[in-house]
Amino acid sequence: DAKTTQPPSMDCAEGRAANLPCNHSTISGNEYVYWYRQIHSQGPQYIIHGLKNNETNEMASLIITEDRKSSTLILPHATLRDTALYYCIVNEQAGTALIFGKGTTLSVSS
Amino acid sequence: EPEVTQTPSHQVTQMGQEVILRCVPISNHLYFYWYRQILGQKVEFLVSFYNNEISEKSEIFDDQFSVERPDGSNFTLKIRSTKLEDSAMYFCASSLEGVGYGYTFGSGTRLTVV
Repeated sequence: DAKTTQPPSMDCAEGRAANLPCNHSTISGNEYVYWYRQIHSQGPQYIIHGLKNNETNEMASLIITEDRKSSTLILPHATLRDTALYYCIVNEQAGTALIFGKGTTLSVSS
Repeated sequence: EPEVTQTPSHQVTQMGQEVILRCVPISNHLYFYWYRQILGQKVEFLVSFYNNEISEKSEIFDDQFSVERPDGSNFTLKIRSTKLEDSAMYFCASSLEGVGYGYTFGSGTRLTVV
């Protein structure tokens, strides 16, 4: 079973920041937090990952709480193309299974 | 940007037939994976493969399934005798070795068993 809990759906206005929360209260010290998204039936797309520190790349920012029990994915200026199913996953290392939960459906509207 | 390539994009097969799904992972990646997604359901892990052997598999990956890396570039998933419930999107993925690397997924093969 997935080790993360996410809200089933969220709405966001185009151009505004989308903040997607994730709870992972049983995360272990070696596990990273990964975010992926899936648009329609395409393959999941990697967005960002982090261990302890906040991370930023060209797609998004990841804020991890100090106790590492929750995190937030931030899409700073959401566009219609960001409408997708977003998955928060904890994983220790390459080669191990990514366990996908139900994720959060983000709907961006104009 | 490097991609994971899957062929075919859509395959229709008769129940009981064998099917082989093909994938070309990213060239310098060392871990390879198969996942599946039944319509309307979650993405499910099937198997991971490293150094020419299975490193982890789920309970879905029973004797009907097998994986192979027949040469230096292809990675295949074989379903020996397909059932109606094998109808799903099958995604191949690959990753670098070590910690802190994302997995790159292909665009999938839609398998329809009739």
